[in-house]
Amino acid sequence: AQSVTQLGSHVSVSEGALVLLRCNYSSSVPPYLFWYVQYPNQGLQLLLKYTSAATLVKGINGFEAEFKKSETSFHLTKPSAHMSDAAEYFCAVSDRGDYKLSFGAGTTVTVRA
Amino acid sequence: ETGVTQSPTHLIKTRGQQVTLRCSSQSGHNTVSWYQQALGQGPQFIFQYYREEENGRGNFPPRFSGLQFPNYSSELNVNALELDDSALYLCASSRDNWDTEAFFGQGTRLTVV
Repeated sequence: AQSVTQLGSHVSVSEGALVLLRCNYSSSVPPYLFWYVQYPNQGLQLLLKYTSAATLVKGINGFEAEFKKSETSFHLTKPSAHMSDAAEYFCAVSDRGDYKLSFGAGTTVTVRA
Repeated sequence: ETGVTQSPTHLIKTRGQQVTLRCSSQSGHNTVSWYQQALGQGPQFIFQYYREEENGRGNFPPRFSGLQFPNYSSELNVNALELDDSALYLCASSRDNWDTEAFFGQGTRLTVV
């Protein structure tokens, strides 16, 4: 079964600084990969997804992620953090042709003024 | 376009009781998946319903059951509640069972005492 590991349960950044959230997947076959954001007391919102097109994927709110097969990674970045980026972020994976999402444990992002 | 809606938003039940959670899928979507998110963890896949049939199940016991109706709304039923069932239950809908993009509701927070 596919799985993802998110490195770092908490990340604190200054407003305007780079946001980098790490995600590694376990699979010998490139899967579909996703990043979701969850604000307090809300459901999950899709930020971006990789489904075998371009390896650099651009998403909403200025986020992007790069699929690196050699490193089995799909790290999420944003060049300049905003206070509104404070939330929990989940990396998720699914096998190609499968519908089930397997989520990482999540990374909580706090943004310092 | 109406998004995914879940009811109720919060619920408190006693151990041993039964509970029913409801989900209205997004307009035009025929597939609904349910996830359990325990505090501090990522969501875990419970099962998926496609065109009123269970289309896959995660590692949850049979006391977790579901239904999907002709209008593609769905229910999650949990019998013989245990303290560990306390969690946020998320419903996600997608256009079809092969669609990689799932839209999540805001969740139902279940507390078992």
